[in-house]
Amino acid sequence: KQEVTQIPAALSVPEGENLVLNCSFTDSAIYNLQWFRQDPGKGLTSLLLIQSSQREQTSGRLNASLDKSSGRSTLYIAASQPGDSATYLCAARGRGSTLGRLYFGRGTQLTVWP
Amino acid sequence: DADVTQTPRNRITKTGKRIMLECSQTKGHDRMYWYRQDPGLGLRLIYYSFDVKDINKGEISDGYSVSRQAQAKFSLSLESAIPNQTALYFCATSGTGGPGDTQYFGPGTRLTVL
Repeated sequence: KQEVTQIPAALSVPEGENLVLNCSFTDSAIYNLQWFRQDPGKGLTSLLLIQSSQREQTSGRLNASLDKSSGRSTLYIAASQPGDSATYLCAARGRGSTLGRLYFGRGTQLTVWP
Repeated sequence: DADVTQTPRNRITKTGKRIMLECSQTKGHDRMYWYRQDPGLGLRLIYYSFDVKDINKGEISDGYSVSRQAQAKFSLSLESAIPNQTALYFCATSGTGGPGDTQYFGPGTRLTVL
């Protein structure tokens, strides 16, 4: 069974710092790897999706990389802002009989203070 | 208007009661999902449906049932609620399931079972 782990569980940084969130997964046979943002009282919002054939994706100040061989993905946030405060979840999508299922990590709770 | 809506948003009930959570989507997607999230944990898949006639159990289906009334509607029922079903419940939808396909989440239903 796919196991997804996120480190750190929580992170508190001052505004303006560049930061890295880590995600690891046990089964490298994934279809894609996604990063989501979760705000209190709201659902999940997809930030970046990296297909299994890709190495990275970028959107604005966000960059996500994928290394299937080592079972790792990182989310890089440049020049962090208080509005980036949220919980960030990574999810690996299964292949074959588990195609379509997302396996989630527990998330990294990020606080960016002014 | 939101693409994925869930009702109710909050519900408090007593042990043994039957509860139905409803999900509607306007994205025209065939695939729909129900997840639960417990504090400090990632999302876990309860049931998923790839079309109106296709319903599958997820990781934690015991104690739950679902109904796919139409392409746009997917309901989750707790036949006899118990306190350890207290959680945040999310509905999600996705398209064709290709490698670039992501899931779109509703805002969640916070369920408390006393």
